[in-house]
Amino acid sequence: AQKITQTQPGMFVQEKEAVTLDCTYDTSDPSYGLFWYKQPSSGEMIFLIYQGSYDQQNATEGRYSLNFQKARKSANLVISASQLGDSAMYFCAMREPGTGQLTFGSGTQLTVLP
Amino acid sequence: GAVVSQHPSWVICKSGTSVKIECRSLDFQATTMFWYRQFPKQSLMLMATSNEGSKATYEQGVEKDKFLINHASLTLSTLTVTSAHPEDSSFYICSASTGTGTYNEQFFGPGTRLTVL
Repeated sequence: AQKITQTQPGMFVQEKEAVTLDCTYDTSDPSYGLFWYKQPSSGEMIFLIYQGSYDQQNATEGRYSLNFQKARKSANLVISASQLGDSAMYFCAMREPGTGQLTFGSGTQLTVLP
Repeated sequence: GAVVSQHPSWVICKSGTSVKIECRSLDFQATTMFWYRQFPKQSLMLMATSNEGSKATYEQGVEKDKFLINHASLTLSTLTVTSAHPEDSSFYICSASTGTGTYNEQFFGPGTRLTVL
């Protein structure tokens, strides 16, 4: 069974600073996909970034980058130059091969301070 | 990117009534749709997986007779909460995907807030 762990229930960061949100995972499948989503108070799930288990390079999308350490089974999200609008809940998720199901971590509530 | 809609965005109903939530993929054909439930300040919990034209697969602990899922077409899936009770009050989110492979992205709907009085 797959498992996603986010150990930071809440994080604070100063505006314009960088912040790292932690995510570790556990799976026995060699093929998997890792995702990060942002959920603002409105509830919508916003896709941020994806990392495939066979990808050689860390994924980047604008201000978002994924620090993928396969041996340590970690997939931390790095947000550079934080903005007030980044305040939201962030979820790490893993895609299960075959069924396509997503398993979510418990989430990290990020608050960006002015 | 692909767009998934949900209707209604919020609903309030009396205990004992049934509520239907629609999930539509607007610009792509979704062979697989997923239904999630989220309580306040908690994570998303998968309720069921539905493939077009076949019966939904429910996760352990989810009552299939209470949460009826129909995936009649490649663009529409519905979740009906039958005989709703206050404990069914939650945020229900659907997602749609073009496949079940590891690299097939799930596109999420905006969610439906259900309040049962």
